[in-house]
Amino acid sequence: EVQLLESGGGLVQPGGSLRLSCAASGFTFSSYAMSWVRQAPGKGLEWVSAISGSGGSTYYADSVKGRFTISRDNSKNTLYLQMNSLRAEDTAVYYCAKDQGAQWLGYYGMDVWGQGTTVTVSS
Amino acid sequence: DIQMTQSPSSVSASVGDRVTITCRASQGISSWLAWYQQKPGKAPKLLIYAASSLQSGVPSRFSGSGSGTDFTLTISSLQPEDFATYYCQQANSFPWAFGQGTKVEIK
Repeated sequence: EVQLLESGGGLVQPGGSLRLSCAASGFTFSSYAMSWVRQAPGKGLEWVSAISGSGGSTYYADSVKGRFTISRDNSKNTLYLQMNSLRAEDTAVYYCAKDQGAQWLGYYGMDVWGQGTTVTVSS
Repeated sequence: DIQMTQSPSSVSASVGDRVTITCRASQGISSWLAWYQQKPGKAPKLLIYAASSLQSGVPSRFSGSGSGTDFTLTISSLQPEDFATYYCQQANSFPWAFGQGTKVEIK
């Protein structure tokens, strides 16, 4: 079964750091780009970051550029999101998602999603 | 950056109704558009990719159309399990962007 399982969320003070993990199983992890998408309480979906299958290319939303770093360890089938200088507006459920296509990043949509991990930034 | 605008923000409909949701991109995105369904407390689910391709396992009452800047998601005959929020998302260029969502509610 294809599965994604996020972890690492929690309560952190403004200015603090947190690292999210997303453990993948049931597919050839290194063949697919992966993304992080977040959803603030009562709000819509916001794309945060994406990384190519090899990890050689990374992309960020303007709202997190310079503060968040996406990475992956293909030997461990795990995706990461290092979040620094956290702000109250980063409070959200963070989902990891798998790109459906092995080529043409994004064209085939994101077909597998984790259950989400909650990040709360508050003093 | 490309902005995605959905309309309406919410729609009230009855079981059996035909529902159409519109998504407009601020610049042309060819067919690089996906539609997702999200129910409360759950992760989004991919419905349509490449603007009009039905995702495997998704009922055929869902369809997508459009290219360039204007897109639509149509539910031909609304079922009880379709009451949810729907999002479009462009993947033509980074940063990717979602529409603000359309909530389909029971009339």
